[in-house]
Formats: sequence, structure tokens, C-alpha cells
Amino acid sequence: KNQVEQSPQSLIILEGKNCTLQCNYTVSPFSNLRWYKQDTGRGPVSLTIMTFSENTKSNGRYTATLDADTKQSSLHITASQLSDSASYICVVNPLMNYGGSQGNLIFGKGTKLSVKP
Amino acid sequence: NAGVTQTPKFRVLKTGQSMTLLCAQDMNHEYMYWYRQDPGMGLRLIHYSVGEGTTAKGEVPDGYNVSRLKKQNFLLGLESAAPSQTSVYFCASSQGDPRPQHFGDGTRLSIL
Repeated sequence: KNQVEQSPQSLIILEGKNCTLQCNYTVSPFSNLRWYKQDTGRGPVSLTIMTFSENTKSNGRYTATLDADTKQSSLHITASQLSDSASYICVVNPLMNYGGSQGNLIFGKGTKLSVKP
Repeated sequence: NAGVTQTPKFRVLKTGQSMTLLCAQDMNHEYMYWYRQDPGMGLRLIHYSVGEGTTAKGEVPDGYNVSRLKKQNFLLGLESAAPSQTSVYFCASSQGDPRPQHFGDGTRLSIL
């Protein structure tokens, strides 16, 4: 069964510190892997999309890495800010969706990050 | 730049009542989706559309119907609401893989 597992479930860090969130998946083959940020009471917002052939992608202070051999991805947040407090969702797109409708995305349950002053 | 707009934002229904959730996007996207998000679970796809006049079932379609009469709108209907349908409903749109899905801010629905 295709699954996406994220760890930790929740994380508290101090403002200015770095952190890394983990995503393990069993989806194979896959087209791309995405990270979304979801603020409380809002919809998810796309941070990065990596194809199966990419190893890393950055978006400002957010850097996602992908190891397709071990089926692991991580999201690294540098110099955290209070506004980084949110849930971060890992999403894997099976290869069957390639170039098409994205009707079968596999969503993780998310990691809830709290950044404290 | 509105993006994806969902109405209403909140609603409380009684068991057995019906209602329609509206999603509108102004990005001329071909694809639109309805998800539900429940505590402790990932987003689950209810129905989606690959273009005007088309719809398809997702992972959890039972108890819901959808229509896409216009490209910019995607409606989600609950025919006879049940407490198990208490959830936060998100609409999204995209231009297809590998472009990202753009989400609205959700409709919080409680069924008593």
C-alpha cells in the first residue's frame, strides 16, 4: 500500500534555530515529491516540488532533499522565524499521475512545528 | 489576486440537511479538486475534475456529489448530511502535474 510517513509528529524549537523534518514513503514508482506549509486555519501552500531525479531544491530558508534510493525526503528550515510555526505536509505523486490530473496524490499527516521566541 | 475562493467559510448543519459548498478559481486552471481534512489524518480526495463538464471519484466519494458546469467553479454537494461528514473541506486547482495545487482556505463544516 502506498504510504507517506512523517516524523516527528510535532516539534518545538526556539526562534533562530535550524530544524529538519523527515518524510519516508513507500510510493513507487513516483513522479515527484512535494512539501506544503499549512498555517493554522488556512489552506496548504506549496514550498517545493522535486522530481524523482532531483536531490535538492530550495525556497528561501526552506531546503528539501530527496533520496530516491532510500525513499526518504527531508525539509530543512534555516534560522527559524515565528512565522514558520505551521504544519508541514509531505506529498508524493505516483508516476501514474505524470503529466496529468494529480488525482491520486498521497498525503502525509504532517509535522506540526512551533517556533517559540 | 484572489486565487481559490471557498464559500461559506463556516457552516453548522443538522443531520439529514443538504448543502452545497462553492469553490471558485481565477487562474484558468483545468483541474479542480475537493479534499477533506480530519484530525490526525492526511488530506483525502473526495472528487476531482479534469475540465469543464467532467468529474471523477476520489478516495472517499460516498455521500458527496460534485458538478463543474463552468471552468472556474467546482461545487460540492452533501445530499443528506451525517455527523461523519464533520470536517474541514478544501478546494484546490492546478494546471496538472508537475505544477502545484493551489488551495483555498477551507470550509469548516459541523454536522449535529
